[in-house]
Amino acid sequence: RKEVEQDPGPFNVPEGATVAFNCTYSNSASQSFFWYRQDCRKEPKLLMSVYSSGNEDGRFTAQLNRASQYISLLIRDSKLSDSATYLCVVNYDTDKLIFGTGTRLQVFP
Amino acid sequence: EAQVTQNPRYLITVTGKKLTVTCSQNMNHEYMSWYRQDPGLGLRQIYYSMNVEVTDKGDVPEGYKVSRKEKRNFPLILESPSPNQTSLYFCASSRGQGLAGANVLTFGAGSRLTVL
Repeated sequence: RKEVEQDPGPFNVPEGATVAFNCTYSNSASQSFFWYRQDCRKEPKLLMSVYSSGNEDGRFTAQLNRASQYISLLIRDSKLSDSATYLCVVNYDTDKLIFGTGTRLQVFP
Repeated sequence: EAQVTQNPRYLITVTGKKLTVTCSQNMNHEYMSWYRQDPGLGLRQIYYSMNVEVTDKGDVPEGYKVSRKEKRNFPLILESPSPNQTSLYFCASSRGQGLAGANVLTFGAGSRLTVL
């Protein structure tokens, strides 16, 4: 089993739609969780950290489910500019972050 | 502007010709790391450094060397590049690992390397 797994997609959604991605992780001792966004051929950039109680930033909501070992990202009212690859990142131990291979989102008009 | 700067951004070289990709950060970050990104494999860590003169292997260190003589710089050295090192390379830094909120990574813009 991969340490961090994501559905590669692509998820093709119309503008205004709500879309959700999940990411599963294998290390039950993981403590830090993040979603990064990566535009084509560019560097990953932090979208949001994921907190135990769940957190929201505008149209984006992140959730953590420790019992089932997954995190999720919900995007409401999708915009064309949301088209990107979304990387799930989980810490493996204090020195190491593991990246998922990413979920590609394509928002169409 | 707080940033991670890596050079060159694009490089085509030939097998066996030593090259260095530089990485510099201006945020006084303790932690620095190199990743390579390949289709279907995601980002894989090559080497990382917790502080000056402290470096450790990541998941795919073979064929690479690093050094951390100064806090701001973390060059990646390919002593004898081979075609399987053709990839997109990212340098990243953070305040530190294992500290709540401190392990958010800032990435450089990437270096696309082709080894013929």
